Amino acid sequence: KNEVEQSPQNLTAQEGEFITINCSYSVGISALHWLQQHPGGGIVSLFMLSSGKKKHGRLIATINIQEKHSSLHITASHPRDSAVYICAVGDQGGSEKLVFGKGMKLTVNP
Amino acid sequence: GAGVSQSPRYKVAKRGQDVALRCDPISGHVSLFWYQQALGQGPEFLTYFQNEAQLDKSGLPSDRFFAERPEGSVSTLKIQRTQQEDSAVYLCASSLMGWLDGANVLTFGAGSRLTVL
Repeated sequence: KNEVEQSPQNLTAQEGEFITINCSYSVGISALHWLQQHPGGGIVSLFMLSSGKKKHGRLIATINIQEKHSSLHITASHPRDSAVYICAVGDQGGSEKLVFGKGMKLTVNP
Repeated sequence: GAGVSQSPRYKVAKRGQDVALRCDPISGHVSLFWYQQALGQGPEFLTYFQNEAQLDKSGLPSDRFFAERPEGSVSTLKIQRTQQEDSAVYLCASSLMGWLDGANVLTFGAGSRLTVL
């Protein structure tokens, strides 16, 4: 079973700061998902990527397949970015069983 | 509907009661997943449907857990004789394509929070 580790577990930042959230996994994957979960709310899919880099607004996700590592960057952070960010991976065989990290709680203060 | 809808949002059950949790996926979505999320943890896979077929139920923790999607749209997760360790948020997610047709973007519901007293 793939082991998914996220770091840091918690992060507090000031509005405007550049934020990096890391995810590492232990076994080759088919794809990696970055998800956002607000308190009491559902989960929103931010990115799905299997190589390279994707950008959407102030969010950038990168993945290094060789190093089994992905990062989610938030530029010009805002208090509304406060949420739990979860990394999830799908096995290389295309298994439907995504393995999720525990998530990283981000708090952005005004 | 516009998103994945789950009901009830909150359920309190006495130990030993049966509960049923409903998921209304996005219309036309082929894949449907159930996940269990304990407090402070990431979601854990429970089961997967492609249309009405339950292709993988290996994540169901015991035979007290049962899921169905009889017409390939709405799904129900049933937990019989609930135990305290069943307390968690149960998340439903759907995806447009069959999962093995290619890695897909998942759309999650808001979850059903179950508390077993």
